[in-house]
Amino acid sequence: ETGVTQTPRHLVMGMTNKKSLKCEQHLGHNAMYWYKQSAKKPLELMFVYSLEERVENNSVPSRFSPECPNSSHLFLHLHTLQPEDSALYLCASSQEEGALETQYFGPGTRLLVL
Amino acid sequence: QKEVEQDPGPLSVPEGAIVSLNCTYSNSAFQYFMWYRQYSRKGPELLMYTYSSGNKEDGRFTAQVDKSSKYISLFIRDSQPSDSVTYLCAMSGPGTYKYIFGTGTRLKVLA
Repeated sequence: ETGVTQTPRHLVMGMTNKKSLKCEQHLGHNAMYWYKQSAKKPLELMFVYSLEERVENNSVPSRFSPECPNSSHLFLHLHTLQPEDSALYLCASSQEEGALETQYFGPGTRLLVL
Repeated sequence: QKEVEQDPGPLSVPEGAIVSLNCTYSNSAFQYFMWYRQYSRKGPELLMYTYSSGNKEDGRFTAQVDKSSKYISLFIRDSQPSDSVTYLCAMSGPGTYKYIFGTGTRLKVLA
């Protein structure tokens, strides 16, 4: 595997379910990000981790819970989601955290909440 | 006012045309400007990256930044049907890791 991978690629869940999204980067990067991409809206930054420490929680509802056990893996735990949470969830990584650092994106998980 | 404005399109052009994709922004502190392309059902992939003002060329692609007008452009020469994807602009400023993205412009190059 190369680059940034995400699983699952598609997920359908009910509002009472609990599920997790997984991201793995094979680039040796130290910073990882979760973004939400909704139709006709810009990418929204949700969380940023640098060296496994959360450095940003961009006013995201508590029904989204990130976890970064090491610099290669990032999870997004989901529980009691709402239909408006249906979107493409993208993971990205960069060498370090910083504006000059190019972010590389995974393919995304397309989430549908019923 | 949004921090970054980008026309969502779709923008339709004939094959071989020169394409101009644009974004305007309001934050004069932005110094790093990026263009990503995003294929359907995939994550964005970095196309070009420029710092501050000026032009940068890579093959058929040219990125241009006009900081005085707060306007950035991506030009595609000799456009091909394979260029038919969504193009996202993104930008950032010093002292932050946050990218601010445009909504993306969907381009259609007609054979």
